[in-house]
Amino acid sequence: AQSVSQHNHHVILSEAASLELGCNYSYGGTVNLFWYVQYPGQHLQLLLKYFSGDPLVKGIKGFEAEFIKSKFSFNLRKPSVQWSDTAEYFCAVTSYNNNDMRFGAGTRLTVKP
Amino acid sequence: DAMVIQNPRYQVTQFGKPVTLSCSQTLNHNVMYWYQQKSSQAPKLLFHYYDKDFNNEADTPDNFQSRRPNTSFCFLDIRSPGLGDAAMYLCATSRDARSTDTQYFGPGTRLTVL
Repeated sequence: AQSVSQHNHHVILSEAASLELGCNYSYGGTVNLFWYVQYPGQHLQLLLKYFSGDPLVKGIKGFEAEFIKSKFSFNLRKPSVQWSDTAEYFCAVTSYNNNDMRFGAGTRLTVKP
Repeated sequence: DAMVIQNPRYQVTQFGKPVTLSCSQTLNHNVMYWYQQKSSQAPKLLFHYYDKDFNNEADTPDNFQSRRPNTSFCFLDIRSPGLGDAAMYLCATSRDARSTDTQYFGPGTRLTVL
């Protein structure tokens, strides 16, 4: 069965620091990969997704993620975080022929002003 | 704005007392999903509807049922809630059932079982 691992439960950064959140999945076939964000008190919303093409995907609000197939990873990055990036971030995966989405447990990001 | 709406946002029920959670959407999407998210855990898919076709996850307890009377509405029924069913329940929609389709989430209903 597919599973998704997010290595960090809670990350604390100062404003302007660079961010990298890890995501690894276990599935041998073709996958589609997603990052969702949940701001405090709000619903989950899509940051970016990858299903084919350039493995470096750019999303909203300056976020990007890189799909490295050999490492089964899809890490999320942002060069310079802002206080408003404080949120919970979820990595998720679907397999090529199945829209059942499997989520990681999430990483809580706190950005200190 | 088109959106996914969940009511109520907070629901308190008693052990064993049936409870229904509601989800509606203005996106006119074909697929509606229900997830359960316990504290500090990943959202876990319970089931989904593609139009009127119901798809249950293999490990979803029988205590959980769902109804979709029309395109816009979907309900989650918990027949006899136990303490272990306390969680956030998330409703989501997608335009279609392709694995690349983005899922759009509602704000969730937090269920407390006393």
